[in-house]
Amino acid sequence: DAKTTQPTSMDCAEGRAANLPCNHSTISGNEYVYWYRQIHSQGPQYIIHGLKNNETNEMASLIITEDRKSSTLILPHATLRDTAVYYCIADYGKLTFGQGTILTVHP
Amino acid sequence: ETGVTQSPTHLIKTRGQQVTLRCSSQSGHNTVSWYQQALGQGPQFIFQYYREEENGRGNFPPRFSGLQFPNYSSELNVNALELDDSALYLCASSLSGTANNEKLFFGSGTQLSVL
Repeated sequence: DAKTTQPTSMDCAEGRAANLPCNHSTISGNEYVYWYRQIHSQGPQYIIHGLKNNETNEMASLIITEDRKSSTLILPHATLRDTAVYYCIADYGKLTFGQGTILTVHP
Repeated sequence: ETGVTQSPTHLIKTRGQQVTLRCSSQSGHNTVSWYQQALGQGPQFIFQYYREEENGRGNFPPRFSGLQFPNYSSELNVNALELDDSALYLCASSLSGTANNEKLFFGSGTQLSVL
């Protein structure tokens, strides 16, 4: 299981892009990068995942560096409802959650 | 709405007792995983079942056991409860056996308190 390192907390103004970084320098070739978020007292919610290429869906974009040692989750227009704990995971077959980043979106 | 439901939502037990938590996965999802989340921590992987067989286990003792049924329901059983077992227990379902390159769909969890 590749260990991931994320900042403990980040702030973002409503309407601005939120860029959440993640380091996964020990990632192996078959491990995907996943992002989930968890709003208080709910189960984690899938956001996006990728292996090598950048990915985009209706929720977010995932930018993975060419060496795959780090990635950035981008929420293009953050809203108050995006306030949550964001988990970056690099794993194969099961998810090993770390502490995550507490993202607070301010009005 | 993930289509994964867990019951009960809250439960209080006494140290030494046994508990069974239940999960209903999305129809067609052959894999169910169980996680334990202590307060202020990320979820920790307990084990995973694929087509009624355990196919992966985290660092949890044997008193944590599970069952998966053909109707996409599953159970987590914990024997001889300890105070440290107090946590939010989450189940998650996915389509295939490896759960790699796939989304996991989580339920809202069961909050277990051991007194």
